[in-house]
Amino acid sequence: AQSVTQLGSHVSVSEGALVLLRCNYSSSVPPYLFWYVQYPNQGLQLLLKYTSAATLVKGINGFEAEFKKSETSFHLTKPSAHMSDAAVYFCAVMGAHNAGNMLTFGGGTRLMVKP
Amino acid sequence: DADVTQTPRNRITKTGKRIMLECSQTKGHDRMYWYRQDPGLGLRLIYYSFDVKDINKGEISDGYSVSRQAQAKFSLSLESAIPNQTALYFCATSDSANNEQFFGPGTRLTVL
Repeated sequence: AQSVTQLGSHVSVSEGALVLLRCNYSSSVPPYLFWYVQYPNQGLQLLLKYTSAATLVKGINGFEAEFKKSETSFHLTKPSAHMSDAAVYFCAVMGAHNAGNMLTFGGGTRLMVKP
Repeated sequence: DADVTQTPRNRITKTGKRIMLECSQTKGHDRMYWYRQDPGLGLRLIYYSFDVKDINKGEISDGYSVSRQAQAKFSLSLESAIPNQTALYFCATSDSANNEQFFGPGTRLTVL
């Protein structure tokens, strides 16, 4: 069984400030972890993924996430927020040996960026 | 051109009506998925298909059915729509060699 918890359904930051979106997971097997972003009126787009290689993963648009097994976390960060980062962000987990590529999603975090 | 397309993009219907949502992909992937998105609940899996002859129920399949007409097409049906099926519906695809799922733009369905 696997589950994902995203702390904070809404996060507001000022433009230029650090972005930190939290994700904790539970998985009975080694996990693959993903962050997806959903811009208004669009589908989900992959930001980055962890698949048991380097624990610090760099993604698109300046985002990165660090896999911490001891904390069962995969928090998403960006040093400096841009207005264009305003969107909904989803963390998702997949069992590493899941033959069906089955994803379990967190509830999502809406990021708002203030000028 | 989009790799994963969904039709319609928006639909308003009435309780009891039959509705079909369609998904097509040009990525050549063998696996396809249907999710619904509700505020605060993320995406939940309705049905998934590993190939044309392999269809499986997901977490919330009650009230839904699917058809995999070809490798590239996967349709979701609501036989008798009810208001709590009002949601945003996403189709996704993946292949057996890659663990990434690719999503369509979504269909916003409103059941009155």
